[in-house]
Amino acid sequence: KQEVTQIPAALSVPEGENLVLNCSFTDSAIYNLQWFRQDPGKGLTSLLLIQSSQREQTSGRLNASLDKSSGRSTLYIAASQPGDSATYLCAVATNSNYQLIWGAGTKLIIKP
Amino acid sequence: KAGVTQTPRYLIKTRGQQVTLSCSPISGHRSVSWYQQTPGQGLQFLFEYFSETQRNKGNFPGRFSGRQFSNSRSEMNVSTLELGDSALYLCASSLDGVNEQFFGPGTRLTVL
Repeated sequence: KQEVTQIPAALSVPEGENLVLNCSFTDSAIYNLQWFRQDPGKGLTSLLLIQSSQREQTSGRLNASLDKSSGRSTLYIAASQPGDSATYLCAVATNSNYQLIWGAGTKLIIKP
Repeated sequence: KAGVTQTPRYLIKTRGQQVTLSCSPISGHRSVSWYQQTPGQGLQFLFEYFSETQRNKGNFPGRFSGRQFSNSRSEMNVSTLELGDSALYLCASSLDGVNEQFFGPGTRLTVL
């Protein structure tokens, strides 16, 4: 059974720092992995999607990597800003059951 | 391109009542998934529909049901509401159920 873990559960850093959020999964037979952002009380915003055949994806200050063999993905945020404060969730998809398996999220606070 | 829309955005019901939530996916997307999000349990998968067929169902009681129409719009219904059904209900739209998922803003259901 696929399980997804995100560490740390919460992170507080000063503005301007580069940071890494971690996501690990137990079964390497994934179809893709997606990173989302959620602001309090709001829906989910898709940040990056990495297909199983890819190693990384980039969008602006965000870079996500995927290492299927070790069951890990990282989300790198460069030059953090207070507007980056949110909960970041990763989710993996398999091509067998049409559902996303979710991590519990990392709550990120960027201090001005 | 319009995003995923969910109606209503907020709902207050009392125990024992029933409720219907609606989700309109992105144009051209045929897969709609539903998730329940609570502070204690995180994101939990309810069900996924593709071309009017339920392909997968999560571990929820039969009080939770859904359907999808020929235009891909989906509804979910919860009967005999319980206090524990209070949650943010999110729907996600994708082309095929395994590729990139796009989420709506959610419906906040409060059961009194």
